[in-house]
Order: sequence, then C-alpha cells, then structure tokens
Amino acid sequence: SYELTQPPSVSVSPGQMARITCSGDALSKKFAYWLQQKSGQAPVLVIFEDSKRPSGIPERFSGSASGTGATLSIYGAQVDDAADYFCYTTDRSGDRLVFGTGTKVSV
Amino acid sequence: EVQLVESGGGLVQPGGSQRLSCVAFEFNFNHFWMTWVRQAPGKGLEWVASIREDGSQKHYVESARGRFTVSRDNTKNSLFLQMDSLTSDDTAVYYCARARKKVDLDVWGQGVLVTVS
Repeated sequence: SYELTQPPSVSVSPGQMARITCSGDALSKKFAYWLQQKSGQAPVLVIFEDSKRPSGIPERFSGSASGTGATLSIYGAQVDDAADYFCYTTDRSGDRLVFGTGTKVSV
Repeated sequence: EVQLVESGGGLVQPGGSQRLSCVAFEFNFNHFWMTWVRQAPGKGLEWVASIREDGSQKHYVESARGRFTVSRDNTKNSLFLQMDSLTSDDTAVYYCARARKKVDLDVWGQGVLVTVS
C-alpha cells in the first residue's frame, strides 16, 4: 500500500530533541522527504532523499531511514520549529506522490 | 528571487469549473517538473498532478483523473490546472511547487483557495 503513517502530535521543551516518525511499505524502496508547514504558510522542504538538507535549512534538522520507516529529528528544538511536519514519498512507478498524515510539533 | 505566484482561486458552484495559474520567476522553468498539491481546510497535504518539463508526461491522483487537466506554457513560464466538474471535496488551498528531480518539492507558491459551494 502507499499509505504513510505519522503520529498526530509530538511535544518537546525548547532545547530537547523532537523525533517524528513516518512508516509505510513504500519507504522500503523509495526515498523519504520531509516538509515543514507553519500556520497559514506554504510548506517548506527540510529534508530530501532520506537525509539531505536543502541549503538554508538549519543543521539541527536531520533525517534518517531504515526499512519501511523514516525519521525526522530536530536536535535542540526551538520555539520557531513549532509547525506541522509532513513526510512524503513516491509510489512504485515514481510518478505519484504520497503524503503522510502529518505531525503537529509543539515546542 | 526564485518564486512561484499562483492565481485563479475563488468561489465556484458545484459542477462548475476553475482554472488555476502559476507563474515562475527567476529560474529555468522548462528544466523542471511541476506539481500541484492541495490542502483541504484543516487537513493534510494531497498530491494532485505533475507534469514533465516539456509537458509530454502528466500524472494525476485518481480522484482528479478525467476532471482535472494540468498543462504548461514554457514560453510564459506558466503552469495551469484546469478543474472541471468540481465538488465540495475539491475545496482546498491549491499550491504549485517546483519538483527538482521530479520529486523534490523545493519551491512552493503561496497557495490559492478554491471553494466549491
């Protein structure tokens, strides 16, 4: 199946590590990507191809993947990191994108 | 500045049509796949459609196939989404996004709201 499951919410104190998981069969063969969406704003790509950071994204954002899961870690989370986070990947053909259910991170 | 600017949102009656536009600035538009993603009020993100650099390939989410048409005009750095037979389920903010390597959604527009009511 091409469903990606995320926890609905994660809450951390400033300076702590926030960890967001994303699970789905498609991740065993395809890369994971992560988007950050702050309230009322367009999404921003924070991780691509499992673990790469686009330019301008702080080093505290880190991605990893293993088997049918992927994880976005925010080391030393800041108040400004409070947002909804979505993982996504592609289907087997690579032609269609599948988004995760989204996780609301509170800091 | 690299950016995408959408237009064309608004209120439309069920069964009606709407055409969204997205204009690209400050990058080689014809070098990138482009994508439409939507977000219903209070909900998550949903991929809608993608189109290849030269328009030769188009892919749609199942719920949009046969009703929506994605197209582009590379001479005008513009992306379009023609939406027909709209229902209340299509009410959402629609974003266009640049898809580096077909998948990396690295640049997003500000989004436009389409309300079907």
